[in-house]
Amino acid sequence: ETGVTQTPRHLVMGMTNKKSLKCEQHLGHNAMYWYKQSAKKPLELMFVYSLEERVENNSVPSRFSPECPNSSHLFLHLHTLQPEDSALYLCASSQDRAGVSYNEQFFGPGTRLTVL
Amino acid sequence: AQRVTQPEKLLSVFKGAPVELKCNYSYSGSPELFWYVQYSRQRLQLLLRHISRESIKGFTADLNKGETSFHLKKPFAQEEDSAMYYCAPLYNFNKFYFGSGTKLNVKP
Repeated sequence: ETGVTQTPRHLVMGMTNKKSLKCEQHLGHNAMYWYKQSAKKPLELMFVYSLEERVENNSVPSRFSPECPNSSHLFLHLHTLQPEDSALYLCASSQDRAGVSYNEQFFGPGTRLTVL
Repeated sequence: AQRVTQPEKLLSVFKGAPVELKCNYSYSGSPELFWYVQYSRQRLQLLLRHISRESIKGFTADLNKGETSFHLKKPFAQEEDSAMYYCAPLYNFNKFYFGSGTKLNVKP
């Protein structure tokens, strides 16, 4: 498998469930991202991890909990979600270089989440 | 707050016609400018970036700092150009702000 992979590709869950989304990058990158893509909103950055440290948390509700155990893996733990959280969740990765601020991000295929 | 505006949700042109997808961004510092594209059933991917001054698949984008615009242009559209296009300024290392996207439909 090459590039950025995400599992599962589709997920249906109830509001009381706990589930996790997984992202893995095979590009040797050192930064990873979670985005939310809703039907009627622009792509929204949720979390940024650089060198396994969370460097950005864009006012995301606590029912979304990210985890980055190493530079190749990123998880998004979900609990007590709301129907409005239904969306496509995209993972991306990039290679951070000191002093360089224009790094291309490589995206995964996304997980389509439906909250009932 | 940083903002990106793509005023057209849908742009339909005939094959061979010129196309311009508009993008305006709010000014704060000097963001790097990117265009991303998503073809049907494919993942979001980079199309081009301003820093490279490149032309990809016949597309170019000109940065106008005075107007804070980064419009994407192609002189002769092809059917395979049909896709969603996202303008994405990059602020403050790693922080992309994506526009809402423009769906380009190139008709035969």
